[in-house]
Amino acid sequence: QLQLQESGPGLVKPSETLSLTCTVSGGSISSSSYYWGWIRQPPGKGLEWIGSIYYSGSTYYNPSLKSRVTISVDTSKNQFSLKLSSVTAADTAVYYCARGQAVAGIDYWGQGTLVTVSS
Amino acid sequence: EIVLTQSPGTLSLSPGERATLSCRASQSVSSSYLAWYQQKPGQAPRLLIYGASSRATGIPDRFSGSGSGTDFTLTISRLEPEDFAVYYCQQYGSSPLLTFGGGTKVEIK
Repeated sequence: QLQLQESGPGLVKPSETLSLTCTVSGGSISSSSYYWGWIRQPPGKGLEWIGSIYYSGSTYYNPSLKSRVTISVDTSKNQFSLKLSSVTAADTAVYYCARGQAVAGIDYWGQGTLVTVSS
Repeated sequence: EIVLTQSPGTLSLSPGERATLSCRASQSVSSSYLAWYQQKPGQAPRLLIYGASSRATGIPDRFSGSGSGTDFTLTISRLEPEDFAVYYCQQYGSSPLLTFGGGTKVEIK
């Protein structure tokens, strides 16, 4: 059974960089069939796609966040990571890592981790 | 930029009733790339429907999806107590690459 687990600081100061890692277990992150992505959800609000990375290394980002986002993958550790720079209070959210396929939706999600931006 | 608009924002129904949720896209979406999710408080979303009408593994057959082009529908034929939750539609492939609708909350009347 595939499992995804987010890890990283739960509190980040304004203007600093938010860094999260997603560890994948029970399957390989190197499969060409899937993309791996980050999605966030501000408290009481809806889901927002942040970006995705593919086995090829190609990355795609939400245009509204593109200038601040970097997603990378470490196949040796079966992990992928998110960096979001210059954070503000508006970046406070539950951050989910997930696996998806274009024609099959997002079938596995991490449990989510709350990141609060505050001084 | 594609926008997914879900309606209604809130649906108040009783157990046993039928729920019909709408997802309208600002431009045409390939049916192959339209999915629906259920989210309960404190939980990650769960995939219900992919390819507009295919049920994900383990999803009961009271959940069904339909539609094409710009109009898609999620139907829950008879609401069970565990179905009261928030539902999101999602498209893949149009700019931006992936978009979620704003969600429909199905609450107990």
